[in-house]
Amino acid sequence: EAGVAQSPRYKIIEKRQSVAFWCNPISGHATLYWYQQILGQGPKLLIQFQNNGVVDDSQLPKDRFSAERLKGVDSTLKIQPAKLEDSAVYLCASSLAGPGDGYTFGSGTRLTVV
Amino acid sequence: AQKVTQAQTEISVVEKEDVTLDCVYETRDTTYYLFWYKQPPSGELVFLIRRNSFDEQNEISGRYSWNFQKSTSSFNFTITASQVVDSAVYFCALFNYGQNFVFGPGTRLSVLP
Repeated sequence: EAGVAQSPRYKIIEKRQSVAFWCNPISGHATLYWYQQILGQGPKLLIQFQNNGVVDDSQLPKDRFSAERLKGVDSTLKIQPAKLEDSAVYLCASSLAGPGDGYTFGSGTRLTVV
Repeated sequence: AQKVTQAQTEISVVEKEDVTLDCVYETRDTTYYLFWYKQPPSGELVFLIRRNSFDEQNEISGRYSWNFQKSTSSFNFTITASQVVDSAVYFCALFNYGQNFVFGPGTRLSVLP
């Protein structure tokens, strides 16, 4: 079974630029999550999708971050404009339903904002 | 409020030593799940174990064992006879429906040859 795919693996941008990350979940997984992991901290949930609908985006900084999940499969997370404090690893995860159902993380995208 | 505390920021041991990683959680819910994940230098989070709040049986999987004690809200993780490949950051996490995941800050384990 293929895992959760994310790209790019690394990205370096200047502050105020825009950036987008892509995630392809495990086939058949209805639920998709984006997490932000700042260096030295545990992951923090940004947004959760159930199919193509948003379930929880309470911790997403909506003034600069946006996410979509077209057709309930792939998802993109965008930051516009980026700030220095957005430097982090952005992890995507998927599960069949809740975390009792094969919750799997991707390898993440490491973003550096300079 | 939900919270996970991993008081040990970094631990160093010599290969073949046993090591215990501590995890203390806070939640008002009676139904919840506890997890341990391993994050090697490559960055992905590797699932190790899931335990629901109604199952306090300790579990052993090879060199890994977990001690769940609801009375002290702890879910500690022990690696027996540690190996260099065990070097990673280990995260304890708490989940319940409607609150989603809360991760602890992680414990960096270094196993020296």
